[in-house]
Amino acid sequence: EAQVTQNPRYLITVTGKKLTVTCSQNMNHEYMSWYRQDPGLGLRQIYYSMNVEVTDKGDVPEGYKVSRKEKRNFPLILESPSPNQTSLYFCASSTNPSEQYFGPGTRLTVT
Amino acid sequence: AQKVTQAQTEISVVEKEDVTLDCVYETRDTTYYLFWYKQPPSGELVFLIRRNSFDEQNEISGRYSWNFQKSTSSFNFTITASQVVDSAVYFCALAPYGQNFVFGPGTRLSVLP
Repeated sequence: EAQVTQNPRYLITVTGKKLTVTCSQNMNHEYMSWYRQDPGLGLRQIYYSMNVEVTDKGDVPEGYKVSRKEKRNFPLILESPSPNQTSLYFCASSTNPSEQYFGPGTRLTVT
Repeated sequence: AQKVTQAQTEISVVEKEDVTLDCVYETRDTTYYLFWYKQPPSGELVFLIRRNSFDEQNEISGRYSWNFQKSTSSFNFTITASQVVDSAVYFCALAPYGQNFVFGPGTRLSVLP
């Protein structure tokens, strides 16, 4: 089954404790992306990757890191999470940016 | 710059009423895609429709219909005979070809029994 998976689906953590949210796709897509969703703001792009070892900032990259060492994986790293990073996070993948498949979402709470 | 506006923050209707969700977009690109997604309370994004900028035909899928008007840069979504299961947040999104998605802020629809 073609899908985008994210882990964990739910996470509660404390300020400053490094965390990684994994994203994996099995469709051999070149393009992958991370979004955060906040009330009244819709989804905003954090980072995206056009292919392995190629990443670039989206609209709200501050406080986040990503890596793309393999085509199928695109982890989102929060080196020192803060409460304003409490949000719902979505990973997406596609063959091109205008046809994205979204993962199920990760709900992160930073206290 | 690309922008999507969903002016209706929240809408409440009674079951069986028809409801239209508005979406207005801005782009200078001539080739682009427009999307609608549904986000039920469980949180996942459910793809509803993708329309490209060269296809202005309206589309109907069961109780759902979409009206794309390039002249007014609008891509409105109508639910006919709404049901409680339609309660969700609905997002409109724009993606110029080869570029990233731009989402609207969403409209929360509540369908009351």
